[in-house]
Order: sequence, then C-alpha cells, then structure tokens
Amino acid sequence: SQQGEEDPQALSIQEGENATMNCSYKTSINNLQWYRQNSGRGLVHLILIRSNEREKHSGRLRVTLDTSKKSSSLLITASRAADTASYFCATGRYSSASKIIFGSGTRLSIRP
Amino acid sequence: GAVVSQHPSWVICKSGTSVKIECRSLDFQATTMFWYRQFPKQSLMLMATSNEGSKATYEQGVEKDKFLINHASLTLSTLTVTSAHPEDSSFYICSASPNYNNNEQFFGPGTRLTVL
Repeated sequence: SQQGEEDPQALSIQEGENATMNCSYKTSINNLQWYRQNSGRGLVHLILIRSNEREKHSGRLRVTLDTSKKSSSLLITASRAADTASYFCATGRYSSASKIIFGSGTRLSIRP
Repeated sequence: GAVVSQHPSWVICKSGTSVKIECRSLDFQATTMFWYRQFPKQSLMLMATSNEGSKATYEQGVEKDKFLINHASLTLSTLTVTSAHPEDSSFYICSASPNYNNNEQFFGPGTRLTVL
C-alpha cells in the first residue's frame, strides 16, 4: 500500500514560476526521497533527505522535511518546460531495510 | 552513476502465455532488487523485494505463484508473469540497491507489458 499522499495531484504553472509540491506520510521514516518520472519512462532520483535533516538543496531544487508533521515539500525554482513530469516522494522506513514506499505523485505541467 | 537495465522495454503477448522480464545492474552488485508495477497515471506499487540467493518477499495482495521472481546473481533478477491476462497489462519497473540499509535504489527504464 502507498505510504502517503502528495498534493496537489496536478499542478500547471507558467515557465519561470516556482513549483511547490507537498508530501505527507504516515509512519516514522529513516529518509525521504524525491523522484521525477517523464511520461512512460523510468524514475530519476532527485534528492534524498534524512530524518535528522530539515532542508536540502540541489541546483534549482529545495527539499524540506518536517518529521513532527510527517511532511515534506519539494520546491523547483525558475521552472522550465523540461521540468514537466510526474514527481513522487518515497519514504524509507526504519523497519524495512532498503524498502521504499511511494506517494501518489504530482503531475507538473510547465506552460511555455 | 549506477545503471540498471531492463529487457525487454516492451512486450505484447497473448492471454495465457508467460512473460519474463529481466533486470540487470550493469556496474554494481545489487544485494537487493525490487519490482514495482505502475498503472497509467498512478504511482508505483511495490510488488516484491528480491534478495540474491533467497526467496522473494511479496507485498500483501501480490500472488507469488502469478509473479515468479528469481534473483540468481548479484546483477540479475527476473520477473515472470505466468498465465498473463489483460488485467496484468501494466508498466513494470525494477530497481536495484547496492547497499543493505541506506534505502538507495537505482531504477531501470521499465517494461511495458500488453496482454491481448
């Protein structure tokens, strides 16, 4: 079963704007990861944030983690048409070595 | 970076036949491999966890006799969909984990299965 939910389910913004996606989960975690998936393709790993971290940056990506609220956010700044894809969070639990559970995903569309 | 391949990338088969999908880690040894299924516009659902040299661990609701998993070496895992039916049509994705406990996974490009 899925660990959590993401919102919004779909997001359409103008190129150049910032995109924010949220992920909530239910159980305690060891880490949380964000992935991107272009239509009909495999997944690309974007960033991993551990449970003892609160914020992490990678290029135009900024991820936050609030373990007290069991939530995470992914911010993509200065969006580009190539950012159009589905974005998924995935949580790794303490009790399941290496196993990760995916959230429901957000479909992001960038309008040129 | 670590590369995972899948073969075939797509397959069309008749109802009742069996289909085998291969997942290979090309430049690292994978202690653990995972198999996911993804229906259109949905998220990835974990089907099973495959450990080299031992039986796979299936998620609740996944029929182990329907989806046979073999992890014969540290670089190869196979998923066989037995007696496939149209409802088995889906996108199957594997991932491989080089380390036991850090949740790091590298994903294959996926296999599109269409059962007629």
